[in-house]
Amino acid sequence: GAVVSQHPSWVICKSGTSVKIECRSLDFQATTMFWYRQFPKQSLMLMATSNEGSKATYEQGVEKDKFLINHASLTLSTLTVTSAHPEDSSFYICSAVPSGGKAFFGQGTRLTVV
Amino acid sequence: QKEVEQDPGPLSVPEGAIVSLNCTYSNSAFQYFMWYRQYSRKGPELLMYTYSSGNKEDGRFTAQVDKSSKYISLFIRDSQPSDSATYLCAMSEDDKIIFGKGTRLHILP
Repeated sequence: GAVVSQHPSWVICKSGTSVKIECRSLDFQATTMFWYRQFPKQSLMLMATSNEGSKATYEQGVEKDKFLINHASLTLSTLTVTSAHPEDSSFYICSAVPSGGKAFFGQGTRLTVV
Repeated sequence: QKEVEQDPGPLSVPEGAIVSLNCTYSNSAFQYFMWYRQYSRKGPELLMYTYSSGNKEDGRFTAQVDKSSKYISLFIRDSQPSDSATYLCAMSEDDKIIFGKGTRLHILP
């Protein structure tokens, strides 16, 4: 099946610093990737849709200047959490859809801001 | 009303029992229906995928979709302790996927 790789799997950073998370589709090209955020015992909340070669589309309430998304190639999207604060600590997950609405997910990145 | 409703559980059943997980939805435009399994601190893993009403079977798992009632189910036969996880239903109209909150399942040895 399709594989989506996400890196790093966990990261701890100091408040005020920035963190970059990578999402790669390993065996297919993805013009669109999605970034989700998941709090403990909660479902996945869509943050933004990453479009290759164009600007990302953000969901209501998600700060585009804080969560920078770059989709520079058909196999790579990055999410940068800028000026991170403890309330940004969460589990971030990316997904890609090779075809027909069937999404495959990365392993997730657990971000802890101290 | 939320687009997708799913009982969060937790649901505890003895090993070997049949598990039934369910979701209801309100958007009749949804075309694709999926079930994901998520272990703690891991990304969701696609278990079942269907786009039509009826049943789809894969090993111990059966996905059932009833579009007329806007109701989907996942059945797990001969449940194992390794099936303990959170199960998320998901559905989509296009590339955008809407998830249920997930049901935490515990299989008791």
